Amino acid sequence: AQKVTQAQTEISVVEKEDVTLDCVYETRDTTYYLFWYKQPPSGELVFLIRRNSFDEQNEISGRYSWNFQKSTSSFNFTITASQVVDSAVYFCALSEASGSARQLTFGSGTQLTVLP
Amino acid sequence: SAVISQKPSRDICQRGTSLTIQCQVDSQVTMMFWYRQQPGQSLTLIATANQGSEATYESGFVIDKFPISRPNLTFSTLTVSNMSPEDSSIYLCSVGQGIGKETQYFGPGTRLLVL
Repeated sequence: AQKVTQAQTEISVVEKEDVTLDCVYETRDTTYYLFWYKQPPSGELVFLIRRNSFDEQNEISGRYSWNFQKSTSSFNFTITASQVVDSAVYFCALSEASGSARQLTFGSGTQLTVLP
Repeated sequence: SAVISQKPSRDICQRGTSLTIQCQVDSQVTMMFWYRQQPGQSLTLIATANQGSEATYESGFVIDKFPISRPNLTFSTLTVSNMSPEDSSIYLCSVGQGIGKETQYFGPGTRLLVL
């Protein structure tokens, strides 16, 4: 069975600090997809990134970067020079290619608070 | 990505009543999903709704409690029946998009409080 672990329940940083959100996953499939979503206080779930299991290249998008390491089953998310608007709950999620209907398994989420 | 809307955005309901939540997508999609997010918790999949077939429910969720309709490729409803305070949650619908439909995009959610 697939599982996603986000060990950090809450993180608090001061604006302009860098912060890394950890995500560790478990799956028996060789083909799978990893995701990060952001949930601001408004409640909407915002898609940030998808990573395929066969593509371990790290990705950078502005202040966001993602480090995918199959050897440690981790998919960590770093925000550089954090801003107050980054305050939200961040969810890591996994979908197995062999799973029916592309079901997503979510981690428990990390509440990030960026203080001014 | 598809634009997804949900109605109502929030509601306060009395114990024992039912609420129907609507999910509208601006394009035709095969797969639609309904999730529940209890206060302070992560998201849990309730069911998968494909047009033209009955919804597939996850363990712990039953059709009598959460009946789902999927009349066409752009619309779905989720009903929360005979509500209790434990049903107070955010309910979100999502659609699968991308080459293999592997990326899910979510609606804004419906915040439900049951008194």
